[in-house]
Amino acid sequence: LAKTTQPISMDSYEGQEVNITCSHNNIATNDYITWYQQFPSQGPRFIIQGYKTKVTNEVASLFIPADRKSSTLSLPRVSLSDTAVYYCLVGDGPNFGNEKLTFGTGTRLTIIP
Amino acid sequence: ETGVTQTPRHLVMGMTNKKSLKCEQHLGHNAMYWYKQSAKKPLELMFVYSLEERVENNSVPSRFSPECPNSSHLFLHLHTLQPEDSALYLCASSQVLFRDNSYEQYFGPGTRLTVT
Repeated sequence: LAKTTQPISMDSYEGQEVNITCSHNNIATNDYITWYQQFPSQGPRFIIQGYKTKVTNEVASLFIPADRKSSTLSLPRVSLSDTAVYYCLVGDGPNFGNEKLTFGTGTRLTIIP
Repeated sequence: ETGVTQTPRHLVMGMTNKKSLKCEQHLGHNAMYWYKQSAKKPLELMFVYSLEERVENNSVPSRFSPECPNSSHLFLHLHTLQPEDSALYLCASSQVLFRDNSYEQYFGPGTRLTVT
């Protein structure tokens, strides 16, 4: 499982676009990049996943440069309810007998009114 | 609602008790997971069942014992726990796809366990 590095915390004002960058220099050819959101005392929630270029869904966009050594989660026009911890995971998915899923410390995003 | 349910949502138990946590997924997934999340710590993977094959994290104490009777149900049996085992225990499931690499997991709401 490729090691990831994210900022520990970020603050942003309501209505702004927020970009959280994750570094994964050792990403392997088969690895996907996945982002989760977690509110206090709840389980993480899958946000978005991508392999290369750009992926967009109703919640967020994920930008992945050509070298795939980093990725950026973009949250458009954030609101107070987006205050949460955001985790970046990189890996090649479940393998029988060798499941190594690590969430890391994530990025604590605080939205300011 | 993620399609993964956990019961009970809250549990207080003494160190000599035996209790079980239950997880059920209604998503038709083939893999299920137990995670532990202590206060201000990252999620720790405890156990994985993938197509009924168990992968165990060797650092998990034997006082935690998982059971996966079928692909929809997962249990975590607890006995002789310590106060430091107090945490949020999360269950998750995912679809194991042979030709599709994915880390998309669906988590339950968790069981908040307090050991007294």
